[in-house]
Amino acid sequence: AQKVTQAQTEISVVEKEDVTLDCVYETRDTTYYLFWYKQPPSGELVFLIRRNSFDEQNEISGRYSWNFQKSTSSFNFTITASQVVDSAVYFCALRGDAGGTSYGKLTFGQGTILTVHP
Amino acid sequence: DVKVTQSSRYLVKRTGEKVFLECVQDMDHENMFWYRQDPGLGLRLIYFSYDVKMKEKGDIPEGYSVSREKKERFSLILESASTNQTSMYLCASSLDGAYGYTFGSGTRLTVV
Repeated sequence: AQKVTQAQTEISVVEKEDVTLDCVYETRDTTYYLFWYKQPPSGELVFLIRRNSFDEQNEISGRYSWNFQKSTSSFNFTITASQVVDSAVYFCALRGDAGGTSYGKLTFGQGTILTVHP
Repeated sequence: DVKVTQSSRYLVKRTGEKVFLECVQDMDHENMFWYRQDPGLGLRLIYFSYDVKMKEKGDIPEGYSVSREKKERFSLILESASTNQTSMYLCASSLDGAYGYTFGSGTRLTVV
């Protein structure tokens, strides 16, 4: 069975602070994919990043960065110099690849509500 | 860009009613999914479909059914709505799950 845990239910920061959202996952698959999605107040989930299990390079995209550590089964997301527009619910998700029969079924974490105050 | 459209943004239905939630995607994706989102629980998979007329149960299928008569349309059906089905329902499609999903804007359903 797969599981994704986002232990931080809510985080509140002041604009320009850095913030890290934690994600820990469990899977028995040797090949798997990890995702982060953002859900702004409008409700639509927006894809942010995909990482496969063979690529442990960290990634930076503007103010966003992701730290993937297989040794600790973690895929954490950091926003540098946060802005009010970053306020949203953020979801971490996992897709295993057991024999390729999972049809892309994603398992989501509980989500972290991030509020950035001006 | 792939677009996933959910027919209603907000719905209010009475207990016992049969409810249809519609989802249409415009990029010829094979795979379509229905999730419900509840505070503290994240997104939970109700049903998914990997081809026309094909469907598979997700993690919480009880009280729901689905229909996929055409590739672009995936309907979620609440056979007899109950108050514990009050939730946000999200539809998604995917060409290949390795590249993630494209989501609709969601339907917030209230059952009274």
